[in-house]
Amino acid sequence: DIQMTQSPSTLSASVGDRVTITCRASESISSWLAWYQQKPGKAPKLLIFKASTLQNGVPSRFSGSGSGTEFTLTISSLQPDDFATYYCQQYNSYSLTFGGGTKVEIK
Amino acid sequence: EVQLVESGGGLVQPGGSQRLSCAASGFTFSSYWMSWVRQAPGKGLEWVAQIKQDGSEKHYVDSVKGRFTISRDNAENSLYLQMNSLRAEDTAVYYCARVRYGSGSIWDHWGQGTLFTVSS
Repeated sequence: DIQMTQSPSTLSASVGDRVTITCRASESISSWLAWYQQKPGKAPKLLIFKASTLQNGVPSRFSGSGSGTEFTLTISSLQPDDFATYYCQQYNSYSLTFGGGTKVEIK
Repeated sequence: EVQLVESGGGLVQPGGSQRLSCAASGFTFSSYWMSWVRQAPGKGLEWVAQIKQDGSEKHYVDSVKGRFTISRDNAENSLYLQMNSLRAEDTAVYYCARVRYGSGSIWDHWGQGTLFTVSS
């Protein structure tokens, strides 16, 4: 199975900060990577797929980049609604696998 | 509006069985792959199983192969997960999720989740 490793596991930031989360795959997954946001007690929400394509309705302050084994999720200017946990997910092959998550906390 | 509503959660003893259900509405259920994804308390997300539109193709994470069976009833707009030989590590919130059309195995709509606990 392809292992997905996210860093950092926790990130403390302030409103207005630029935030970057990294996701690494144990082998090449081309651009078959998605990012999700999850708030406590809620289901995940799809943000980005195919490494850099924004899901409908997702604010443009979110962006994704990368290919192969290294990917990033960037929030250009952190908003109060963005404090949450973020997960990457590879869909290059079964088993579909997630990263361990990055919790974005208020500094 | 797309809605996915899970049911069947609760408490089961180790070694027991349970069936989870997901009622879908607001979209043409028979046109979409569907999945189950779970999240153990305080932990990350884990994909469990996925089924093709007509039920002819199914995929599972290794840890549930031979114990769990995903199925669907397109006439009833329902997705199921039959879970047998349950273990403590199966304890989680189980989400029903719709695979985004034409985009590969990613999920654009999720249910609210149902908590399932395996304990004696």
